[in-house]
Amino acid sequence: EAQVTQNPRYLITVTGKKLTVTCSQNMNHEYMSWYRQDPGLGLRQIYYSMNVEVTDKGDVPEGYKVSRKEKRNFPLILESPSPNQTSLYFCASSLGTGKETQYFGPGTRLLVL
Amino acid sequence: AQKITQTQPGMFVQEKEAVTLDCTYDTSDPSYGLFWYKQPSSGEMIFLIYQGSYDQQNATEGRYSLNFQKARKSANLVISASQLGDSAMYFCAMRFTGGFKTIFGAGTRLFVKA
Repeated sequence: EAQVTQNPRYLITVTGKKLTVTCSQNMNHEYMSWYRQDPGLGLRQIYYSMNVEVTDKGDVPEGYKVSRKEKRNFPLILESPSPNQTSLYFCASSLGTGKETQYFGPGTRLLVL
Repeated sequence: AQKITQTQPGMFVQEKEAVTLDCTYDTSDPSYGLFWYKQPSSGEMIFLIYQGSYDQQNATEGRYSLNFQKARKSANLVISASQLGDSAMYFCAMRFTGGFKTIFGAGTRLFVKA
């Protein structure tokens, strides 16, 4: 089944404790992206990747890191999480950047205390 | 500045009636795509419909149609014959062809009444 998977789905952590949210897709998509969703703000793009080893910042990259060492994986790293990073995070992938829709993972709900 | 505006935070519609969800956008880029997504209470993002900036005809997908008015920079979603299962959050998004940036509106929460 074609899908984007994220782990963990739920995470409670404390300020400053490094964490990684994994994202994997099995559709051989070149393009992957991370978003955060906050009430009243919709989804905001954090980082995106056009292919292996090629990444760029979205609108809200501060406090986040990404890497794309393999085509299928695009982990999101929070090296020192803060409470303002409490949010719902989505990973997405697509074949290209034109009319192809992005396929979204199920989301990761993060609470930083 | 590139921006998507959804002016209706919440809307009610009677079951079996049609409803229009508004979306306006702002960009100077001539090539872009407009998407609508549905997010039910379970949280997943479901693709509904796509409209390209150069498409001459309005997009349709089953009960969903997109009322694309390029000069007005609007891309409203029309849902015909609303069903209870249409109750959800709806997001309008814009993606720039040849680039990789995607921006979303704040969303409209639709409530379908029986």
